[in-house]
Amino acid sequence: EDQVTQSPEALRLQEGESSSLNCSYTVSGLRGLFWYRQDPGKGPEFLFTLYSAGEEKEKERLKATLTKKESFLHITAPKPEDSATYLCAVLNGYNKLIFGAGTRLAVHP
Amino acid sequence: SQTIHQWPATLVQPVGSPLSLECTVEGTSNPNLYWYRQAAGRGLQLLFYSVGIGQISSEVPQNLSASRPQDRQFILSSKKLLLSDSGFYLCAWSPNRTPILSGANVLTFGAGSRLTVL
Repeated sequence: EDQVTQSPEALRLQEGESSSLNCSYTVSGLRGLFWYRQDPGKGPEFLFTLYSAGEEKEKERLKATLTKKESFLHITAPKPEDSATYLCAVLNGYNKLIFGAGTRLAVHP
Repeated sequence: SQTIHQWPATLVQPVGSPLSLECTVEGTSNPNLYWYRQAAGRGLQLLFYSVGIGQISSEVPQNLSASRPQDRQFILSSKKLLLSDSGFYLCAWSPNRTPILSGANVLTFGAGSRLTVL
């Protein structure tokens, strides 16, 4: 069965303390991996799409990478406004989008 | 530019009452439309999707139904709510290209509707 697992469930960082969020997946025929940011009480907001192992995408303090088994979302020198839940989703060979449960990130001044 | 609207934002309903959540998309034609439910500690669960007016596909059996009476309008309904229907409901859209939800078709979500059934 296709599965997406995100870790850790929650992460607390000090402002400026870089870290990484993990998204590991088991899918039949990966067609794309998506990262979303979700603020409390809001809908997810699209960040990145990655298609193949070795691909990287960057946006401000965020950088997403992809291997054959997992993706990392690296956060460099985070600020309090980066606090949110980060969701990972994979599109399998049957065009089904499978979401992970998310990582709740809290960045404190 | 495209925008997606969902309402109501918050809803508190008694068990056994009906439900209607509405979603509309502006700035695009013939979008693919989706209803998701988000439960705490779990990934988003796809409930329904639609590729056109009157075309609804259901992903999981449940107490809910969906309708698409107009091109850019998607409605989630229930005749009698259950306690287990409580949750955060998200509408989303993607461009209508074949196949549905290809890697190039990014999902764009609405702000969500928080439903509490008492």
